[in-house]
Amino acid sequence: SYELTQPLSVSVALGQTARITCGGNNIGSKNVHWYQQKPGQAPVLVIYRDSNRPSGIPERFSGSNSGNTATLTISRAQAGDEADYYCQVWDSSTGFGGGTKLTVL
Amino acid sequence: QLQLQESGPGLVKPSETLSLTCTVSGGSISSSSYYWGWIRQPPGKGLEWIGSIYYSGSTYYNPSLKSRVTISVDTSKNQFSLKLSSVTAADTAVYYCARDAQKHHWFDPWGQGTLVTVSS
Repeated sequence: SYELTQPLSVSVALGQTARITCGGNNIGSKNVHWYQQKPGQAPVLVIYRDSNRPSGIPERFSGSNSGNTATLTISRAQAGDEADYYCQVWDSSTGFGGGTKLTVL
Repeated sequence: QLQLQESGPGLVKPSETLSLTCTVSGGSISSSSYYWGWIRQPPGKGLEWIGSIYYSGSTYYNPSLKSRVTISVDTSKNQFSLKLSSVTAADTAVYYCARDAQKHHWFDPWGQGTLVTVSS
């Protein structure tokens, strides 16, 4: 199965830019999707197909994908962005990264 | 607005079969653009995709669970269901249903999830 690697945690100062990475072998050739999950809630799709935002997701959320790393970028981080973030890829089967806990300081 | 709601027993005994149903409202499960999927999350851990089904009944499963999983669909009720056999404590998790976008397979929206505990 295709392996996805995420850092366990990322910290960002309030109002600054957070970057959460998702590593995989030649992941740049695949479509990467990102989810935000707050405690006790279901995941919410925040980016699909590398860099597309669903309706209702703030423009502060953006994504990129190249080489062996996909990145979710959260600009002007807010306290409400504190959550777990998961990347996901389809490669003849669906796999999720292990998740990254974002802390806004 | 499309909504999904999981239902089923919250407690299952070891070696028995876990059965859950997802009811879709605000849209048709017979849409040609989507699959419908199940994902689970053990307490304090990450997400694991279980499998997905098309309204025609075509399925695809996580290879690691395939031998124990059956997903079915009832278009007349706008529902799809999950059966996981021979459960153990390792199958204790929050189980989510979600719409699975055909071709690129992202999940949106998700149901609220239901906790299933495997214990005697």
